[in-house]
Amino acid sequence: RKEVEQDPGPFNVPEGATVAFNCTYSNSASQSFFWYRQDCRKEPKLLMSVYSSGNEDGRFTAQLNRASQYISLLIRDSKLSDSATYLCVAAGGATNKLIFGTGTLLAVQP
Amino acid sequence: EAQVTQNPRYLITVTGKKLTVTCSQNMNHEYMSWYRQDPGLGLRQIYYSMNVEVTDKGDVPEGYKVSRKEKRNFPLILESPSPNQTSLYFCASRYGLAGWDEQFFGPGTRLTVL
Repeated sequence: RKEVEQDPGPFNVPEGATVAFNCTYSNSASQSFFWYRQDCRKEPKLLMSVYSSGNEDGRFTAQLNRASQYISLLIRDSKLSDSATYLCVAAGGATNKLIFGTGTLLAVQP
Repeated sequence: EAQVTQNPRYLITVTGKKLTVTCSQNMNHEYMSWYRQDPGLGLRQIYYSMNVEVTDKGDVPEGYKVSRKEKRNFPLILESPSPNQTSLYFCASRYGLAGWDEQFFGPGTRLTVL
């Protein structure tokens, strides 16, 4: 079983739609959580950290449920420029090593 | 501009021919690491370094070596590349070991071993 699991998609949504991605992690000792965005053939970039209380950054909302070991990302009012792969990340251990999910591909259609 | 650079960006080589992929960061970060990314497997850590002269194995270290003689540089060495090392490689750095330190990635090196 992968340490961080995501639905690979693709999610094909029209512009303006709301889309939600889910992710589960297996290591209950994980302490920090993130969503990274990766455009095709480019490097991953931090989209947002995920806090226990949930957090919002513009059209993006991230939630963490430690009891269920579940992380989510909600994107409202999707834009064409949101098309990318979204990587769920859990970190923990002595070096806070990042464990990446395989990513969920989002394609926003005009 | 704060960044992580890697060279070369693309490389096609043959089995057994030693190669080095360079990585450099200008952010004075202590922690650096190398990942490979393969379809269906995601990003997997190869090696990491917590500071100068301190390196350790990640999840998939076989067939790779690294060194950290200076804080800014963290080269990845393939002594005898094999076709199963064909992959997309990313170097990354972050300030320290704190859970919330953002990790910055280089632009990637696409390696093909024939």
